[in-house]
Amino acid sequence: EADIYQTPRYLVIGTGKKITLECSQTMGHDKMYWYQQDPGMELHLIHYSYGVNSTEKGDLSSESTVSRIRTEHFPLTLESARPSHTSQYLCASSEYVGDGYTFGSGTRLTVV
Amino acid sequence: QKEVEQNSGPLSVPEGAIASLNCTYSDRGSQSFFWYRQYSGKSPELIMSIYSNGDKEDGRFTAQLNKASQYVSLLIRDSQPSDSATYLCAVKVTSGSRLTFGEGTQLTVNP
Repeated sequence: EADIYQTPRYLVIGTGKKITLECSQTMGHDKMYWYQQDPGMELHLIHYSYGVNSTEKGDLSSESTVSRIRTEHFPLTLESARPSHTSQYLCASSEYVGDGYTFGSGTRLTVV
Repeated sequence: QKEVEQNSGPLSVPEGAIASLNCTYSDRGSQSFFWYRQYSGKSPELIMSIYSNGDKEDGRFTAQLNKASQYVSLLIRDSQPSDSATYLCAVKVTSGSRLTFGEGTQLTVNP
């Protein structure tokens, strides 16, 4: 049973809208990550956090931002959605550096 | 050279056969290795982790690690159609503290 939750599961939104993708975990993990993945393509790390008030940009340049005010919560925000942001966004967490990650179910975002 | 490379797919095997998935990595100091399974439209699911040289078995799955040759493999015995998915290799490289994922190998098991 998944202990990391992402909402919404699917989102269709118009260009220019501000959106926040939610990610919460109940495992008390300090390490959390956001990945972007297009269908059939590889995972791209866009943001990560090693604890409260700690956030870093990942390997793929992204126009999104993240925050980590509480251990269990790691939301991702797009200030102005564009069709190029259409993708699947996956949140993950781990207890220790180098541990395997547990992934949430993902949010499939479509910007029209 | 990519840090983590997987054999290009797609890989197709008949039901009941052994599926062999391979992964090589460039950082000789890497310590932690993982295999994920990802069904189409779903999120990756951790199926195996291996940290030391040799074989690690879990049911029909066997992970093999050879640090000297810098490869890690996943064998799936008695392959089932339900094993059809993309398999991702992930490595914790020493230059960073995060996992680095390969591009994945798509496996199809034909009934």
